[in-house]
Amino acid sequence: AQTVTQSQPEMSVQEAETVTLSCTYDTSESDYYLFWYKQPPSRQMILVIRQEAYKQQNATENRFSVNFQKAAKSFSLKISDSQLGDAAMYFCAYRRNTGNQFYFGTGTSLTVIP
Amino acid sequence: KAGVTQTPRYLIKTRGQQVTLSCSPISGHRSVSWYQQTPGQGLQFLFEYFSETQRNKGNFPGRFSGRQFSNSRSEMNVSTLELGDSALYLCASSTDREKGYTFGSGTRLTVV
Repeated sequence: AQTVTQSQPEMSVQEAETVTLSCTYDTSESDYYLFWYKQPPSRQMILVIRQEAYKQQNATENRFSVNFQKAAKSFSLKISDSQLGDAAMYFCAYRRNTGNQFYFGTGTSLTVIP
Repeated sequence: KAGVTQTPRYLIKTRGQQVTLSCSPISGHRSVSWYQQTPGQGLQFLFEYFSETQRNKGNFPGRFSGRQFSNSRSEMNVSTLELGDSALYLCASSTDREKGYTFGSGTRLTVV
């Protein structure tokens, strides 16, 4: 069974600083997708970044980047130059390549300190 | 373009009642998935519909059901509500599995 673990229930970062959110997962599949979603108080889940498991290069989207370690089954999110608008709940998620179901971690609540 | 629209945003029901939640996907999206989010269990997959057919179902009792219409709009129904059904119900739509999913803002269901 696929499981996703986020070991940091809460994190805080000073505005303009860098923070890294951790995520590990367990799967026997070789082809899959990994995601980071952001859920602000508006409740909508917003896609932050996506990584295909077959790609060795780490995905990057502006200030957001990942450190994908396939052998270690680790998928951390780095937020650079943190902004007040980055404050939200962040969920790591896994999906099989042939599947349509997301498996989510328990989330990390990120606070950005002005 | 319009996003995924879920109605209503908030709902209060009494134990034993039934409820229907609605999800209108982004235009052109044929896949609609539903998730339940609770503080205790986190985000759990309910089911997915594609072209009016249920493709996959999560581990929920038969009280939870859904359907999809020819215009891709989807509804989920929960019968004989229990206190534990109180949750945020999120809907997500997609054109296909490769392109990723867009989530709505959810319906907050409170069962009293």
